[in-house]
Amino acid sequence: DAGVIQSPRHEVTEMGQEVTLRCKPISGHNSLFWYRQTMMRGLELLIYFNNNVPIDDSGMPEDRFSAKMPNASFSTLKIQPSEPRDSAVYFCASTFLGARGRTDTQYFGPGTRLTVL
Amino acid sequence: AQKITQTQPGMFVQEKEAVTLDCTYDTSDPSYGLFWYKQPSSGEMIFLIYQGSYDQQNATEGRYSLNFQKARKSANLVISASQLGDSAMYFCAMREGQFGSGTYKYIFGTGTRLKVLA
Repeated sequence: DAGVIQSPRHEVTEMGQEVTLRCKPISGHNSLFWYRQTMMRGLELLIYFNNNVPIDDSGMPEDRFSAKMPNASFSTLKIQPSEPRDSAVYFCASTFLGARGRTDTQYFGPGTRLTVL
Repeated sequence: AQKITQTQPGMFVQEKEAVTLDCTYDTSDPSYGLFWYKQPSSGEMIFLIYQGSYDQQNATEGRYSLNFQKARKSANLVISASQLGDSAMYFCAMREGQFGSGTYKYIFGTGTRLKVLA
């Protein structure tokens, strides 16, 4: 079975440019999470979706960040305009939430390493 | 207050020895889950093991076991017979709250970097 797929794996862009990160969750999972990992702040939850609906976006740093999940197999995280402090590894993870007896273990994608110059 | 505390920023262990990575957690929720993830230098986050708050027995997965002490709120990861490939960052995580109640959270610790010596 394919795991969580993220693209691109690496992105280098200049300050002010728009950046779009993409994620395909594991088939059958109903929840998707976006995380950001930096040395200074560790792993931070940005937003998560359940059944394509955003449930908690309290971790989104500011209005420059937006996330969508138009269907069960695709999500995007967009940064516009990007800034050097957005440089980080962005992970997408998926799981199945809401079923008794399931552990809701999150499975992570390989991450996108974003560098904003 | 930190919800997940990993007090060992770095650990060394000799190959083939066992090692324990510490994790303490803080929650008032009776239903929660505890997870350990491995992040090698290549960067991916790999799920290792899960322990539910109501599980009577400690979880085991191959060379990994979770030493769950509920009264102490600790969930230490034990790796037996360490291998060079075990060198990585290890994260403890907790899921608390019931999904749909508004209190659902998934929280990660700051990690412990393990180096296995030949």
